[in-house]
Amino acid sequence: NAGVTQTPKFQVLKTGQSMTLQCAQDMNHEYMSWYRQDPGMGLRLIHYSVGAGITDQGEVPNGYNVSRSTTEDFPLRLLSAAPSQTSVYFCASSSRDYPTGELFFGEGSRLTVL
Amino acid sequence: AQSVTQLGSHVSVSEGALVLLRCNYSSSVPPYLFWYVQYPNQGLQLLLKYTSAATLVKGINGFEAEFKKSETSFHLTKPSAHMSDAAEYFCASRNYGGSQGNLIFGKGTKLSVKP
Repeated sequence: NAGVTQTPKFQVLKTGQSMTLQCAQDMNHEYMSWYRQDPGMGLRLIHYSVGAGITDQGEVPNGYNVSRSTTEDFPLRLLSAAPSQTSVYFCASSSRDYPTGELFFGEGSRLTVL
Repeated sequence: AQSVTQLGSHVSVSEGALVLLRCNYSSSVPPYLFWYVQYPNQGLQLLLKYTSAATLVKGINGFEAEFKKSETSFHLTKPSAHMSDAAEYFCASRNYGGSQGNLIFGKGTKLSVKP
């Protein structure tokens, strides 16, 4: 009963390095999204996808790339990490019955950029 | 554009007291509304949701929320707080398809429960 799986759980990067946060779901959900959570800011949407091959920008997309080659996977790429990208990142998915359907969240990936 | 406002970033109650967490939404049409809870170092899990079927919505762990269109509110309540309710709570709204189908979150309210 995996649900939404995020890896890694913790990562430390140096400024300018690149990396990919992985997200996989086993519920055959069409909708997937990435949020970042910062103290006092709630969760802000970075990118989202409504199906394989379809992605779009959210509220704070700068510095991040995504792709959706399969229904199951939705990786988030940091192109050149900056200290402002220090945050906790959450991947979430929901079924075709969004917007009424529940959004299922992964356990988060805590990223520190030095 | 839709938005969600949670009044009070921190709320402290005594065990056994009423819990009231406030949420107001802004949307051109009544959105779908959700309350999520986040325990320390965990992801978010759904407490309850309003999808226009009934204005009073009951959720898990004894929580409920009432949708009031006239007040554009969706406040979360629980009659008697328990120590295990200490967590951060997020109100969120979601509208119809396309980019409006994305979940928009409030900034969260951290609930502390005193023994």
